[in-house]
Amino acid sequence: GAVVSQHPSRVICKSGTSVKIECRSLDFQATTMFWYRQFPKQSLMLMATSNEGSKATYEQGVEKDKFLINHASLTLSTLTVTSAHPEDSSFYICSARPSYDTQYFGPGTRLTVL
Amino acid sequence: AQSVTQLGSHVSVSEGALVLLRCNYSSSVPPYLFWYVQYPNQGLQLLLKYTTGATLVKGINGFEAEFKKSETSFHLTKPSAHMSDAAEYFCAVGAGRGNQGGKLIFGQGTELSVKP
Repeated sequence: GAVVSQHPSRVICKSGTSVKIECRSLDFQATTMFWYRQFPKQSLMLMATSNEGSKATYEQGVEKDKFLINHASLTLSTLTVTSAHPEDSSFYICSARPSYDTQYFGPGTRLTVL
Repeated sequence: AQSVTQLGSHVSVSEGALVLLRCNYSSSVPPYLFWYVQYPNQGLQLLLKYTTGATLVKGINGFEAEFKKSETSFHLTKPSAHMSDAAEYFCAVGAGRGNQGGKLIFGQGTELSVKP
């Protein structure tokens, strides 16, 4: 149990295009999901907290107009990187929270912007 | 504010030897503490967590950690390393119930290598 999936696992796009990443909790409901970014050999940096039915809460320094988050249901949150540029290339990881003290992480999405 | 410091970005042990990964935290509220493992190009897997109660926490794959409030530490140990333990390990602190919506703050990570 407690599986979180992400789609796609890898994506390569041209500069200026938008990319959507999906995060799904497969066997539990999550009112809250989190989006993280991880650079090579570095730790996870929280980008935003996604709450079902309300606007996402972004961490300081994260451009909300560039990283659009939609928490459409209790099992699905999406992150859209708009007008992607090479500096947006990174490993994006989501997590879903079925209870206050537990987060389950997705397998991550590798984004490469050419 | 909360923060996590993992001492040692890289730890190398021999197979069968003790594994000790160090984590110190700072928190103005009672912390929730976690250890996660990450294999290359994968997400994070929860090894163990401390919320309340017993300070010695046992997790998966033979790992355990002890919450020491006086030392603000939550070090991860395993008596005997296996080759399959080679991975990146992250310590994280959460704000606990009623604070900051359960956000986690991660340490810098420690890469564990296991030599045959």
